[in-house]
Amino acid sequence: AQKITQTQPGMFVQEKEAVTLDCTYDTSDQSYGLFWYKQPSSGEMIFLIYQGSYDEQNATEGRYSLNFQKARKSANLVISASQLGDSAMYFCAMREDTGANSKLTFGKGITLSVRP
Amino acid sequence: DSGVTQTPKHLITATGQRVTLRCSPRSGDLSVYWYQQSLDQGLQFLIQYYNGEERAKGNILERFSAQQFPDLHSELNLSSLELGDSALYFCASSPHRGWNEQFFGPGTRLTVL
Repeated sequence: AQKITQTQPGMFVQEKEAVTLDCTYDTSDQSYGLFWYKQPSSGEMIFLIYQGSYDEQNATEGRYSLNFQKARKSANLVISASQLGDSAMYFCAMREDTGANSKLTFGKGITLSVRP
Repeated sequence: DSGVTQTPKHLITATGQRVTLRCSPRSGDLSVYWYQQSLDQGLQFLIQYYNGEERAKGNILERFSAQQFPDLHSELNLSSLELGDSALYFCASSPHRGWNEQFFGPGTRLTVL
């Protein structure tokens, strides 16, 4: 089974509207972390938000929030008030600690296009 | 500008060669993370250093090695290069050992011919 699943091939949203990017994960660990990263067409990588598995509150960073549903093993990214600059590829990732190693698994990414 | 610098920006080399990628973290940041992004493998975490010591190890090949120096800059050494090592290599830094805040450099594009 895939560790991180991002099934939406491409998403479109109207400027100023909210959008949810889906991510489901698979782990048997109790302690893990979930991340979202943004990669614009320029190629740079931008860390957006992190959620620890024991965090009781959903993580928020400005217009970004992570809708963490532990029982459903989902960690969807919600972007409020979309801006044209939000057009990019978005990657979900999960960190599992296995002894001395940290395994960080990335999803294949979702392309978001914001329409003016 | 994240404050993380990576050199060189582009690197073209031949199979079998060895290269060194350099990363300077943001001023004061103690953690450095290395990532690889290739068409075949997608995004992969390679390794993390915190204050000079290896903190976490991901999918780093034995042909690859890294270190963090006393001035906190880090180098990623790639040896016996193969065509499949062609990728974008990112470095990120963080003020602490945790994972909840990372600032990425612009990346080094490695092409192995």
